[in-house]
Parts: sequence; structure tokens; C-alpha cells
Amino acid sequence: DGGITQSPKYLFRKEGQNVTLSCEQNLNHDAMYWYRQDPGQGLRLIYYSQIVNDFQKGDIAEGYSVSREKKESFPLTVTSAQKNPTAFYLCASSIRDRFVQAYGYTFGSGTRLTVV
Amino acid sequence: GENVEQHPSTLSVQEGDSAVIKCTYSDSASNYFPWYKQELGKGPQLIIDIRSNVGEKKDQRIAVTLNKTAKHFSLHITETQPEDSAVYFCAARDYGNNRLAFGKGNQVVVIP
Repeated sequence: DGGITQSPKYLFRKEGQNVTLSCEQNLNHDAMYWYRQDPGQGLRLIYYSQIVNDFQKGDIAEGYSVSREKKESFPLTVTSAQKNPTAFYLCASSIRDRFVQAYGYTFGSGTRLTVV
Repeated sequence: GENVEQHPSTLSVQEGDSAVIKCTYSDSASNYFPWYKQELGKGPQLIIDIRSNVGEKKDQRIAVTLNKTAKHFSLHITETQPEDSAVYFCAARDYGNNRLAFGKGNQVVVIP
């Protein structure tokens, strides 16, 4: 079955540490996205990538970094520069269509990051 | 860019009643409108979507309607059940950047 996998499900970080969240998809989707979700809040876009070796900042990129070396993988690093990293992180992917047709996103099951 | 707003933020309904969530969007060029359901501690799941060349779409107990003139679309859930309790997100395709713009979500609570 095709899908998108995030790991780990729960992650604890000490202050001052960098941590990397994994996101892997086998849907053959070109585009991938990282969102942050805080309690009772909507989805805020951190970074997105529409093609391998290319990515763009979203609305809240400060303190985060990404790479897109393979089509299937889009890892997110939460750096020590992110002052309030405790949140639920969601990865998503989609078909990238340049024309009229548009498609929804497939989301992973999320990683809950807690700073201890 | 596209701006999507959802109302109400929280909706409580008695089991068996209908629930309606409305979203408005700002960009008349938007042509794709999906709805997602997010259960506690899980990722959002696509439950239904509609394209701009269609006014209504149904899938069992859920339906979506689109009013392009007024730039709003609504999710209708009939015969609600406790398992319908979740957060529901609407979205619209931002034609300019080809990404989805999401609303802030609605918490739906079905009271048994």
C-alpha cells in the first residue's frame, strides 16, 4: 500500500539540541510539505518542496531546515534556534500539476515533539 | 494569496442531527476545494473534495456544496454519529502558487 510515513511518533528534545523528523512517501508524489500544529490551532506551513533538490520557506521557517535529496524523503530539522519547538508536526505530499487540475494532500500521522 | 476562513470554530450537535460547516475563500481563480477530518493525535484525512465545475458532491452521509458567486463552500454531515467527532479543515487551491490554503479548522462534537 502506498502512503506517507513519519517517524518517530513521539520525540523528546533537550533545550539546545537539534532534532530531525523523518518523512518518507512511496506515492511517487513530487511535492512535499511540513506543517506545524499547536493545540487548538490550524496548520502553519514551515517548508515545502515541489521537486528534488529544491525547497522554499513557508510562513514560519525560522529555526527549521530541510533537505530534499530524494523524491521519497523530506526530513525536517528543528534547530536550537527554534525557541518554542514543542508542537505536533505533520508532513504531507501531493501530485504536482502545473495545469488546471489540482489534487489534495496526503498527510502522515504526525510527530509530537516535546522539549524537556 | 488565497485566504480561507471557517465558521463556526466549534459545533456541537446531537447524535442523529445534521452538521454544517461553512468556509469562505478570497480568490475567485481557486478551482479545487478539499475537506479533511483530523481525529485526536492523528494526521488529517481527505474525506471529500469538489472542483469548481461542480456545484455539489455527495458521498454517503457527507456532502459538499460550492457557491462560486458568493465564494463559499460548505460541508454537510447528515445523521451524525459519535465517530464524526473530530476537527474538520477546509482548503482551497491557491492558483498563484499551486498550494492549498487551509482554514483554521472546526471542532465538531457529536453528543450521544
